[in-house]
Amino acid sequence: EIVLTQSPATLSLSPGERATLSCRASQSVGSYLAWYQQKPGQAPRLLIYDASNRATGIPARFSGSGSGTDFTLTISSLEPEDFAVYYCQHRNNWPPAATFGGGTKVEI
Amino acid sequence: QLQLVESGGGVVQPGRSLRLSCAASGLTFSSHGMHWVRQAPGKGLEWVAVVSSDGGTKYYADSVKGRFTISRDNSKDTLDLQMNSLRPEDTAVYYCAKEGSAAARLAFDIWGQGTMVTVSS
Repeated sequence: EIVLTQSPATLSLSPGERATLSCRASQSVGSYLAWYQQKPGQAPRLLIYDASNRATGIPARFSGSGSGTDFTLTISSLEPEDFAVYYCQHRNNWPPAATFGGGTKVEI
Repeated sequence: QLQLVESGGGVVQPGRSLRLSCAASGLTFSSHGMHWVRQAPGKGLEWVAVVSSDGGTKYYADSVKGRFTISRDNSKDTLDLQMNSLRPEDTAVYYCAKEGSAAARLAFDIWGQGTMVTVSS
């Protein structure tokens, strides 16, 4: 079973600053990694799929990189609406189970 | 407008059953695998189960295997989760989520708003 470890658990930053979030897999997952944003009381929203591809409607300030076991989500310049919890996620074709990281909270 | 709407949550005693539903609209429901993902209060996301686009393949997390059953009705664009022998640790918001298309097929591109299940005596 693949385990995803996110760090840091909490990131305290100010609007306009750059945020760098990490997700490490216990074994290689190729490029099969996605990132989600979740705000309080809301469902998660897909930001990045296949490690580096932005989902529809996602602003260009969000970017993903990495492959194998180490991945990064970067928010180039934080907007007030970006303060939220971010999760990484992996899934294979088979078995089709998904795994989520523990999350990183980006707070003001 | 692509939309998933869950229903069926509530408060239930340990050992009892509950059935959740997810209604899809604005998308070709029968073309996509569908999943249930849950989130315990104040905790992270936990994947629960998946059913293939045609309903023929199902897979479960170890934590719910043998107790939960996922199913779908492509004629009605609905997804269900039958939850039996419920435990307090099953308390969570349950989300239905759609697999993405093409290159995003291993991610979840559409989520419902969630339905709360509380297992307590």
